[in-house]
Amino acid sequence: LAKTTQPISMDSYEGQEVNITCSHNNIATNDYITWYQQFPSQGPRFIIQGYKTKVTNEVASLFIPADRKSSTLSLPRVSLSDTAVYYCLVGDDTGGFKTIFGAGTRLFVKA
Amino acid sequence: KAGVTQTPRYLIKTRGQQVTLSCSPISGHRSVSWYQQTPGQGLQFLFEYFSETQRNKGNFPGRFSGRQFSNSRSEMNVSTLELGDSALYLCASSLGDRGRAFFGQGTRLTVV
Repeated sequence: LAKTTQPISMDSYEGQEVNITCSHNNIATNDYITWYQQFPSQGPRFIIQGYKTKVTNEVASLFIPADRKSSTLSLPRVSLSDTAVYYCLVGDDTGGFKTIFGAGTRLFVKA
Repeated sequence: KAGVTQTPRYLIKTRGQQVTLSCSPISGHRSVSWYQQTPGQGLQFLFEYFSETQRNKGNFPGRFSGRQFSNSRSEMNVSTLELGDSALYLCASSLGDRGRAFFGQGTRLTVV
């Protein structure tokens, strides 16, 4: 299974755009890239998923370069409520959700 | 559409006892995955059930077991509890193929 590397923590201010980059050098052809958000004592919540190029939804954008060895989660205009841990997952879950979670990135948004 | 429901939310057990946790997936989801989350080890995959069969298994001792019923509800059991089993146990439901997984709120187990 592909291993991911993300920054341990990041600080930001309200209203700023936050970009969290994840490295996954040994990503396999069938692997997708998925980001989850987790608040304390809650289960992770799906944010966005992509395979290549750019994906955008109502809460975030995901940028994936052509070699797919990294990806960047972009959160526009963060608020205090975006303070959470963000996990970058890489895997092929066609046989069931069994993805390995890394340590994640702890984002702290300040007023 | 109801989300993933885990019961109970909190549990306190004594070392050596056993415990059973329950997870009701989103209606129509046939896959249930279980994770253990601790401050030191993070989120660790326990096992995944699909159509009443264990399809994937993580690297946990045999004291951790699970099952899935015909209505897709799943239970996990931990026997001979150890202090180190204190954790947040999360279950996630999905359709069973690639796509998003939906997590429950978790069961906070404390072993004393």
